[in-house]
Amino acid sequence: EDQVTQSPEALRLQEGESSSLNCSYTVSGLRGLFWYRQDPGKGPEFLFTLYSAGEEKEKERLKATLTKKESFLHITAPKPEDSATYLCAVRAAGGTSYGKLTFGQGTILTVHP
Amino acid sequence: NAGVTQTPKFRVLKTGQSMTLLCAQDMNHEYMYWYRQDPGMGLRLIHYSVGEGTTAKGEVPDGYNVSRLKKQNFLLGLESAAPSQTSVYFCASRSPTGGPGYEQYFGPGTRLTVT
Repeated sequence: EDQVTQSPEALRLQEGESSSLNCSYTVSGLRGLFWYRQDPGKGPEFLFTLYSAGEEKEKERLKATLTKKESFLHITAPKPEDSATYLCAVRAAGGTSYGKLTFGQGTILTVHP
Repeated sequence: NAGVTQTPKFRVLKTGQSMTLLCAQDMNHEYMYWYRQDPGMGLRLIHYSVGEGTTAKGEVPDGYNVSRLKKQNFLLGLESAAPSQTSVYFCASRSPTGGPGYEQYFGPGTRLTVT
């Protein structure tokens, strides 16, 4: 069974204080690891897809990296507007559920000014 | 281009009542999904559809039914609501080949409370 575990559950940072969010996964053949951002009362918004170990992707202050067992979302010099819940999800190879994603429980990030 | 829309945004039901949640997408996507999101449990797949007229069960399908009569619409039905179905429901869609990451696009959600 595919599993995704995110840590920490909640993270409080001061503006400008860089940190990382962790996503550990077990999956029978990874076809993609996805990062989403979710603001309160809204649907998840796509950020990145990573396919293979060693891959990195960046967007503004966010950088996602991938190993064979986990992914990190690095946040450099965060601003209050980066406050949100960050979700990690994996898509496994094979199976009959087309594009099925298994989600972690999310990390709630709060950035104080 | 509205993307994925969901109606209603909020709903309160009494135990045993029925209702239908509507999801619409204007991106011509083949695949559509219904998820529920509960505190501490992440998003869980209820049902999905890979095309007009086809549906399949996800990981938590009990108590729900779905229909995909038109490509752009995906309906989620609750025949007899139970308090355990209190949740936030999200619809998502994606193209089978489009998008560099095969990412799913999500709607804004429906918050359902069953009393």
